[in-house]
Amino acid sequence: QSALTQPASVSGSPGQSITISCTGTSSDVGGYNYVSWYQQHPGKAPKLMIYDVSNRPSGVSNRFSASKSGNTASLTISGLQAEDEADYYCSSYTSSSTYVFGTGTKVTVI
Amino acid sequence: QLQLQESGPGLVKPSETLSLTCTVSGGSISSSSYYWGWIRQPPGKGLEWIGSIYYSGSTYYNPSLKSRVTISVDTSKNQFSLKLSSVTAADTAFYYCAGQRSACYDFWGQGTLVTVSS
Repeated sequence: QSALTQPASVSGSPGQSITISCTGTSSDVGGYNYVSWYQQHPGKAPKLMIYDVSNRPSGVSNRFSASKSGNTASLTISGLQAEDEADYYCSSYTSSSTYVFGTGTKVTVI
Repeated sequence: QLQLQESGPGLVKPSETLSLTCTVSGGSISSSSYYWGWIRQPPGKGLEWIGSIYYSGSTYYNPSLKSRVTISVDTSKNQFSLKLSSVTAADTAFYYCAGQRSACYDFWGQGTLVTVSS
């Protein structure tokens, strides 16, 4: 299975909104509403930010939102803050009953 | 609140078997709500899903690792384990155990670095 495709880096100024894309195929992203997003700060374990395409776990800021269209999922961070600077990974369930992660996106707050 | 903790050798020789254990606290590994998984991350690189197990023993593996991976569960110890055979330097990574509810990993261990070197 091939990793889902994400941009290597995205940057924005404090207060701005940024969007990270996650492109797969009809066998993963496009075939199921089982896309999740993770935030990872340096030296830390990943943290679940979004599950089932667009749902936020309790405690995650509503500045984080997500959606899916066809084979591409997207994560939007609104009102960008310094603490949002981290790596972000998408993940999807696949038709083989497995999971695949995205290539990862480094978010920089300028 | 579930807590997970990885344990095992930090150094493994090439061609040998990597063995890690994840201890679950704050809940039962036999919960029907969870699958239990392993994810790894080579230093400076992205996440790779290794596989997952249900308390009943049902397993799912990454096709690229399937021939070398075994994940097992010990409900009496509230633990699950990873074995990866015939390791090479390419298997050097941080290894995370995680609890999977629905189709996402919402509880993670802190991760443990395993280096493959002679």
